Amino acid sequence: DVVITQSPLSLPVTIGQPASISCRSSQSLVYSDGNTYLNWFQQRPGQSPRRLIYKVSNRDSGVPDRFSGSGSGTDFTLKISRVEAEDVGVYYCMQGTLWYAFGQGTKLEIK
Amino acid sequence: QVQLVESGGGVVQPGRSLRLFCAASGFTFNTYDMHWVRQAPGKGLEWVALISYDGRNEYYTDSVKGRFTISRDNSKNTVYLQMNSLRVEDTAVYYCARDFNWAPGYWGQGTLVTVSS
Repeated sequence: DVVITQSPLSLPVTIGQPASISCRSSQSLVYSDGNTYLNWFQQRPGQSPRRLIYKVSNRDSGVPDRFSGSGSGTDFTLKISRVEAEDVGVYYCMQGTLWYAFGQGTKLEIK
Repeated sequence: QVQLVESGGGVVQPGRSLRLFCAASGFTFNTYDMHWVRQAPGKGLEWVALISYDGRNEYYTDSVKGRFTISRDNSKNTVYLQMNSLRVEDTAVYYCARDFNWAPGYWGQGTLVTVSS
């Protein structure tokens, strides 16, 4: 089974500063069609999850451009260029190449 | 806009059954795969099941295989999750989600299932 490991699990950030979350897979997430099905989700307190990024680096509609995704193979990163108060919540990566599996989540809080 | 409304959650004893419902609107239901994803209290997300747009194909996470069944009625724009032989560890908020770009892209508000004696 594919194991997805996120780090850090807790991320205190000052408003206006950048933030970065790592997601590593135990196997390559490149599918036989050449695509890499790596997604990022945000879950604000008390809310349902919302997807931010699909296929490594594609932003979903309405997602601010301060969010960006990058990576390849087994190593991926979500970056927030300048953290805002509304970004507080838990961030999950999820692979959809070898069925579906989520990372443990990274809790972003404001310092 | 896409709307997904889950229902059917509640408190149930271990070993009993429960059926969850997800009513969809705002899109052409019979052209999209549908997911169920769950979240135990205070824990992370766990993908549970997927059904293809036409209902012909179903996929499950290992921990629910043989106990849970996902199905859909495209005439009613509804997807179901039949949960049998429930265990304490199945306690979670269950989210229905529409596939979009090869993953759960739109989510409902969830319905809480509590398995307890």
